[in-house]
Amino acid sequence: DVKVTQSSRYLVKRTGEKVFLECVQDMDHENMFWYRQDPGLGLRLIYFSYDVKMKEKGDIPEGYSVSREKKERFSLILESASTNQTSMYLCASSPSDKLRTYEQYFGPGTRLTVT
Amino acid sequence: AQTVTQSQPEMSVQEAETVTLSCTYDTSESNYYLFWYKQPPSRQMILVIRQEAYKQQNATENRFSVNFQKAAKSFSLKISDSQLGDTAMYFCAFMRETSGSRLTFGEGTQLTVNP
Repeated sequence: DVKVTQSSRYLVKRTGEKVFLECVQDMDHENMFWYRQDPGLGLRLIYFSYDVKMKEKGDIPEGYSVSREKKERFSLILESASTNQTSMYLCASSPSDKLRTYEQYFGPGTRLTVT
Repeated sequence: AQTVTQSQPEMSVQEAETVTLSCTYDTSESNYYLFWYKQPPSRQMILVIRQEAYKQQNATENRFSVNFQKAAKSFSLKISDSQLGDTAMYFCAFMRETSGSRLTFGEGTQLTVNP
């Protein structure tokens, strides 16, 4: 079974703190994604990566950065957390396009509260 | 840009009955993929069913089937013989063939199956 894990299920941080959310997948997938999930808005893509050290902006990258130093690990960084970044954060991975499966495998999510 | 709309924020159904969740999308692409994902309470998101736009035949997976109307840009999910375990948030998602597995999600529909 594909397994995508996230470092924390719940996280509480203060405004202005630097926050790291970690995601690890064990299926050697090339693609990895970070989404935020908000009620009534669905999932919105923050950043994605299709290879080590490669990253591309999604639909809402402002206030976030990412790091992918190893194939299995994709980190989301909030440089200076703000209250409007309180949300559920989901990580996902998928195999490369050449396999044409396109299924994304999701982690359990991290519910981040910024006070 | 692609958009995906789920106009039913909440739905409920009695156990063993059939329910249909609606999804519409907007795109100028001719080749693309459509998905329904399921997010059970406090559990990870999983893929329910996938449809390739070039296929005229509607996809089915056991009790789950879709009604894909390409001209109308409609992609509804039918769940037959509903079970209590079908209670979840359901997301419709769109992927362009050349997007590198990047998904655009709808707002979600919360489905409750009542005993």
